[in-house]
Amino acid sequence: EDQVTQSPEALRLQEGESSSLNCSYTVSGLRGLFWYRQDPGKGPEFLFTLYSAGEEKEKERLKATLTKKESFLHITAPKPEDSATYLCAVQHTGKLIFGQGTTLQVKP
Amino acid sequence: ETGVTQSPTHLIKTRGQQVTLRCSSQSGHNTVSWYQQALGQGPQFIFQYYREEENGRGNFPPRFSGLQFPNYSSELNVNALELDDSALYLCASSWDRDQPQHFGDGTRLSIL
Repeated sequence: EDQVTQSPEALRLQEGESSSLNCSYTVSGLRGLFWYRQDPGKGPEFLFTLYSAGEEKEKERLKATLTKKESFLHITAPKPEDSATYLCAVQHTGKLIFGQGTTLQVKP
Repeated sequence: ETGVTQSPTHLIKTRGQQVTLRCSSQSGHNTVSWYQQALGQGPQFIFQYYREEENGRGNFPPRFSGLQFPNYSSELNVNALELDDSALYLCASSWDRDQPQHFGDGTRLSIL
């Protein structure tokens, strides 16, 4: 069965304290792995797409990496405005299968 | 460039009623997908429409139905509402079926 698991469920960091979020997946025929950011009361905001193992993408303080079984979202020197829920999803026959998300809180 | 817009933003219904939610796709996008997001959970795929045809359906009963119009806007209809249907309903559009999906801010549906 296609499945996506994210860890940890919640993460509290001090401003400037770097860390990583994990996304483990099992899917037959991966057509892409996606990272989204979701703020309270808003829809998910697209961050990155990764298609093959070894691929990396960067945007400001965020860097996403992909292996055959998992993806990591590395956050370098986070700021309070990075506080949000980060969702990972895999694409299979057009649909996105989401994990439950990691809620990140960055304290000043 | 206008993003994905959904209406209404909030809706309150009672059990057994019917509801229609609306979505305007991002300009140039021919694919629209609908998701249900319960509190504290990731979105769950309901169905996808590509050029006005259903292109895949998740594990939702037939009382969840949809339409995509020639201008690629879309509707989600839910009949015989149940308490468990209370959730955030998200619409996402993409310029093709396997391309990144861009989400609207959703409709918050509450069933009393």
